[in-house]
Amino acid sequence: EAGVAQSPRYKIIEKRQSVAFWCNPISGHATLYWYQQILGQGPKLLIQFQNNGVVDDSQLPKDRFSAERLKGVDSTLKIQPAKLEDSAVYLCASSYLAGGPNTQYFGPGTRLTVL
Amino acid sequence: GNSVTQMEGPVTLSEEAFLTINCTYTATGYPSLFWYVQYPGEGLQLLLKATKADDKGSNKGFEATYRKETTSFHLEKGSVQVSDSAVYFCALRAEGSNYKLTFGKGTLLTVNP
Repeated sequence: EAGVAQSPRYKIIEKRQSVAFWCNPISGHATLYWYQQILGQGPKLLIQFQNNGVVDDSQLPKDRFSAERLKGVDSTLKIQPAKLEDSAVYLCASSYLAGGPNTQYFGPGTRLTVL
Repeated sequence: GNSVTQMEGPVTLSEEAFLTINCTYTATGYPSLFWYVQYPGEGLQLLLKATKADDKGSNKGFEATYRKETTSFHLEKGSVQVSDSAVYFCALRAEGSNYKLTFGKGTLLTVNP
């Protein structure tokens, strides 16, 4: 079974530029998560989708971050404009369903450096 | 709110040494508890989990017991190997939280031959 795919793996941009990350979850997984992992900290949930609907985006900085999951499969996370403090690894995860014993499977992440 | 506190790293051990990484949590209700591992250059992988008090999760020689009385979920391994070198994250999934995971800050383990 293929895992969660993410691209690009690395991205370096100047502050105030825009950037987008892509995630393809495990086939058949209804729930998709985007996490931000700042160096030295644990991952923090940014947004959670159930199919193509948003379940939780309470920690997403909506003035600059946006995410979509068209057709309930792939997802894109965008930052516009980027700030220095957005430097982090952005992790995508998916699970079959949101609750119960369903395990979240993580992709390799995209490491973003904002200069 | 929900939170996870795990011991500060880094932790450096010799091969075959005993490992303990402490983890305590704060949560309402009865959360599920997890240990994830992140090998260099890779994504997080679920190492083990426990869903109710006194459950013991185990995998690859690692164990952790869900202790509700001490709100703890300490990770242990009797004999570590060089290949266990990684960052270990303790996490909880609380009831009524849309099942989102709350992570600790992670503990870097380095095992020397």
